[in-house]
Amino acid sequence: GDSVTQMEGPVTLSEEAFLTINCTYTATGYPSLFWYVQYPGEGLQLLLKATKADDKGSNKGFEATYRKETTSFHLEKGSVQVSDSAVYFCALTRTTGNQFYFGTGTSLTVIP
Amino acid sequence: EAQVTQNPRYLITVTGKKLTVTCSQNMNHEYMSWYRQDPGLGLRQIYYSMNVEVTDKGDVPEGYKVSRKEKRNFPLILESPSPNQTSLYFCASSLSQGRSTEAFFGQGTRLTVV
Repeated sequence: GDSVTQMEGPVTLSEEAFLTINCTYTATGYPSLFWYVQYPGEGLQLLLKATKADDKGSNKGFEATYRKETTSFHLEKGSVQVSDSAVYFCALTRTTGNQFYFGTGTSLTVIP
Repeated sequence: EAQVTQNPRYLITVTGKKLTVTCSQNMNHEYMSWYRQDPGLGLRQIYYSMNVEVTDKGDVPEGYKVSRKEKRNFPLILESPSPNQTSLYFCASSLSQGRSTEAFFGQGTRLTVV
């Protein structure tokens, strides 16, 4: 079945460090891929998305590229801030499916 | 403001006492769903609804019921809660399932069953 695997956390970085959170997926066909962010005490918010191979999603300095050949959608940011501390979820949805499939989430803490 | 509203945000209850968690969205979305979030397991879908009076099971439906009598509302019902249903619950809605569909999430309901 469809699934998403993302790197285990927690991740702790110093401010201005480079961030990578790995995400790989298993799916039939051509899924859409998403990164959601969950700030403490809040629901999930869409961070970025990509709907076809080689698309790059970007928002708030975060980027991820849909790589069909490696079935990956890694999240990157060149310089993290304390305000980026949150839990990040990779997810997919199929074009004809009925649900999102989420990874287990990666907790990020950025220290000053 | 476009939003998904869940109530209550926090709930402590006893085993076997029926409860309902409400969910309402103001975006006229057809698709609504419920997820539970547990440590190390991410979010797992409980039930979903593709439109009024159309509901179906997700990955972990046991012990839950839903209804969709109106487009905006999608309550989650626990007829006889048990401690293994202690979790963080999220309601989500989206316009339709498609390649660029974004799901909007409520703020969550933290349920504790003792």
